[in-house]
Amino acid sequence: ELKVEQNPLFLSMQEGKNYTIYCNYSTTSDRLYWYRQDPGKSLESLFVLLSNGAVKQEGRLMASLDTKARLSTLHITAAVHDLSATYFCAANFGNEKLTFGTGTRLTIIP
Amino acid sequence: DTAVSQTPKYLVTQMGNDKSIKCEQNLGHDTMYWYKQDSKKFLKIMFSYNNKELIINETVPNRFSPKSPDKAHLNLHINSLELGDSAVYFCASSHTTGFGELFFGEGSRLTVL
Repeated sequence: ELKVEQNPLFLSMQEGKNYTIYCNYSTTSDRLYWYRQDPGKSLESLFVLLSNGAVKQEGRLMASLDTKARLSTLHITAAVHDLSATYFCAANFGNEKLTFGTGTRLTIIP
Repeated sequence: DTAVSQTPKYLVTQMGNDKSIKCEQNLGHDTMYWYKQDSKKFLKIMFSYNNKELIINETVPNRFSPKSPDKAHLNLHINSLELGDSAVYFCASSHTTGFGELFFGEGSRLTVL
């Protein structure tokens, strides 16, 4: 079965702290995506990871991909309140569609 | 200019009614999708069209009928609405020769009473 799992599902963290969201997928995927969704809003593309060892950074967010472990991580550095959102990873299993993870609802507490 | 636009943004209707949601993209993409997001935020693909041709049709009740008049438009018609159809429906588009990244519309929140 083609599955994408994220953990944790919920994350509450203090401003200024670092944390990592994990995304595991069930079978070979040649592409991994991270999206952000604010409450009541659309999904915004954050990162596209195309190969093993790929690392991308944008501001306080950094995403990486390990295709051998079938694992992607989204690392948050020195969190600030405006990073509060739900973060989704999605994998392309070569079947012309993206399969999304369950989402991680991140709340940054002052 | 909004890249992927959906209308309406909100729909409230009674069980048994029929409703449609429209989607248009101005990105020049050749593939469009409908995703359903349930109350737990889980996103599941429903349909995908490439250049007006249906390429993905997940296990969706046949009360749901997509239609793509051209590659910039993908509409979703739902017959005989049920309570369980209440969700947010997202339209998205991508380019097959790109990285497969999806660009989403703002979503259409359907509430069936």
